[in-house]
Amino acid sequence: DAKTTQPPSMDCAEGRAANLPCNHSTISGNEYVYWYRQIHSQGPQYIIHGLKNNETNEMASLIITEDRKSSTLILPHATLRDTAVYYCIVRVVGTGGFKTIFGAGTRLFVKA
Amino acid sequence: DTGVSQDPRHKITKRGQNVTFRCDPISEHNRLYWYRQTLGQGPEFLTYFQNEAQLEKSRLLSDRFSAERPKGSFSTLEIQRTEQGDSAMYLCASSLGRGQYGNTIYFGEGSWLTVV
Repeated sequence: DAKTTQPPSMDCAEGRAANLPCNHSTISGNEYVYWYRQIHSQGPQYIIHGLKNNETNEMASLIITEDRKSSTLILPHATLRDTAVYYCIVRVVGTGGFKTIFGAGTRLFVKA
Repeated sequence: DTGVSQDPRHKITKRGQNVTFRCDPISEHNRLYWYRQTLGQGPEFLTYFQNEAQLEKSRLLSDRFSAERPKGSFSTLEIQRTEQGDSAMYLCASSLGRGQYGNTIYFGEGSWLTVV
């Protein structure tokens, strides 16, 4: 699985959009971009994933650049409960063995 | 609750004792994963099952660690002769393994181990 680079921490005002960047310049054609978040002392929570098209669900939007070397997770209206560590991961699609490599992630602080 | 279930959630044990954690994956998920997470770090992959077959093990999984998934449903992770360095949160996750969302893995809440 390709490696990702994320800023260690970010701040966001409550009610504003939180834009979390991720660099994955070595991504392969068959690798998806996944985002998870982890709130203190809980297991990681799946947020969203995509291959090359932008994706949106009830939690967030995922914007992937045309060359797929970077992406941005957007939380449109951040709340205090969105304070967490956000992990960007790239994963191979298909059968066979798999291991997700989590980096240190981005610690997002949402402030009132 | 139809999510990944882990038991116990917290365990304090004395150095040298054995501990066992149990994981019940989401129903019908044929893939099951174990991870370990220490404070301030992201989860680290330990091992992976497809049905009852253990297909991959990390070098982090020393001889004192053993994982099983005997009937392809629940799994256990046993740590023998625990050491203080084993103190961590042990996470279980599962995935369907097929279809558009087959690679999405869902995590349990974790089992915290403290070795004193």
